[in-house]
Amino acid sequence: LAKTTQPISMDSYEGQEVNITCSHNNIATNDYITWYQQFPSQGPRFIIQGYKTKVTNEVASLFIPADRKSSTLSLPRVSLSDTAVYYCLVGGTSYGKLTFGQGTILTVHP
Amino acid sequence: GAVVSQHPSWVICKSGTSVKIECRSLDFQATTMFWYRQFPKQSLMLMATSNEGSKATYEQGVEKDKFLINHASLTLSTLTVTSAHPEDSSFYICSASRREGGNNEQFFGPGTRLTVL
Repeated sequence: LAKTTQPISMDSYEGQEVNITCSHNNIATNDYITWYQQFPSQGPRFIIQGYKTKVTNEVASLFIPADRKSSTLSLPRVSLSDTAVYYCLVGGTSYGKLTFGQGTILTVHP
Repeated sequence: GAVVSQHPSWVICKSGTSVKIECRSLDFQATTMFWYRQFPKQSLMLMATSNEGSKATYEQGVEKDKFLINHASLTLSTLTVTSAHPEDSSFYICSASRREGGNNEQFFGPGTRLTVL
């Protein structure tokens, strides 16, 4: 399973755009990239998933360069409620097994 | 859609007792369910993969005789912590996998907080 590397923590302010980059140099050809959000004492919540280029949904965008060795989660106009841990994972295709890295603690300030 | 529930949401037990945690996929059938453990301020650690109708596959370092997993139906998997001790106190999270097109989507339950006194 591909290992991921993310910043341990990030700080932002309400209304700003936040970009969290994840590196996954050993990503396999059939691996997808998935981002989850986790609040304290809750299970992770799916944010977005992609394979290549750009994916956008109602809460976030995911940018994946052509070599797929990294990806960037973009959260537009964050609010205080976006303070959470964000995990980048690769894999989970034919087998479904996911390995969580350390995650990024995002703190949004007023 | 794609809701996963866990029961109980929290449990406190005495050392030496066994505790059962249920994981249910409420609106889809999950051929595969996963069990994770998360200690405070740490990431989720995969404990085992549970496939309906077959024995669970445990990750290295996880005692299969201590953490009994049963996946009796396509919507229910149970984790039993046998002879629990204080060091087993943790946040246990399950997830259920649903195949969508060519990709498996994984949905997580809300977690169960286990405290062993």
